[in-house]
Amino acid sequence: KQEVTQIPAALSVPEGENLVLNCSFTDSAIYNLQWFRQDPGKGLTSLLLIQSSQREQTSGRLNASLDKSSGRSTLYIAASQPGDSATYLCAVNTGGFKTIFGAGTRLFVKA
Amino acid sequence: GAVVSQHPSRVICKSGTSVKIECRSLDFQATTMFWYRQFPKQSLMLMATSNEGSKATYEQGVEKDKFLINHASLTLSTLTVTSAHPEDSSFYICSARVSEHGNTGELFFGEGSRLTVL
Repeated sequence: KQEVTQIPAALSVPEGENLVLNCSFTDSAIYNLQWFRQDPGKGLTSLLLIQSSQREQTSGRLNASLDKSSGRSTLYIAASQPGDSATYLCAVNTGGFKTIFGAGTRLFVKA
Repeated sequence: GAVVSQHPSRVICKSGTSVKIECRSLDFQATTMFWYRQFPKQSLMLMATSNEGSKATYEQGVEKDKFLINHASLTLSTLTVTSAHPEDSSFYICSARVSEHGNTGELFFGEGSRLTVL
């Protein structure tokens, strides 16, 4: 059974700092991995999608890596800003229409 | 990215009434949509997979008679919470997958619907 874990559960950093959010999964047989952002009381916004054959994806200040063999993904946020404050969710697509979500990392960037 | 729209964003109803939530894919066709429930400060729990033109597939523990799902077209799925009770109060989110190769494409979410049952 696929399980997705995100560490840390919460993180508070000063503005401008670079940071890394971690996601681990127990079964390496995945189709893709997706990172989302969720603001309070809102839906999820897709940030990055990494297919199983890819090692990383980049969008602006965000970089996501994928190491299937070790069951890990990281989301790197460069030069963090207060507007980056949100909950970040990692989701693993195991095929068969199943997507397993981590519990998320609540990020707070202090001005 | 693709746009998924959900309506209403907030709804308050009396206990015993039914509430319908709509999920639309605005710029793509979605043969499959997903309905999730999210409790405060918790991750998403998949409730059911909505299939266009056929019956929805419910996850274990989700009452199909309580949460009616209809996916009548390639751009619209609806979730009806029947005879709602206070314990049904939650945040409900729908999603759809954009894919030309089966079920491995990117997942996009609606804005969510906050249901409060008095």
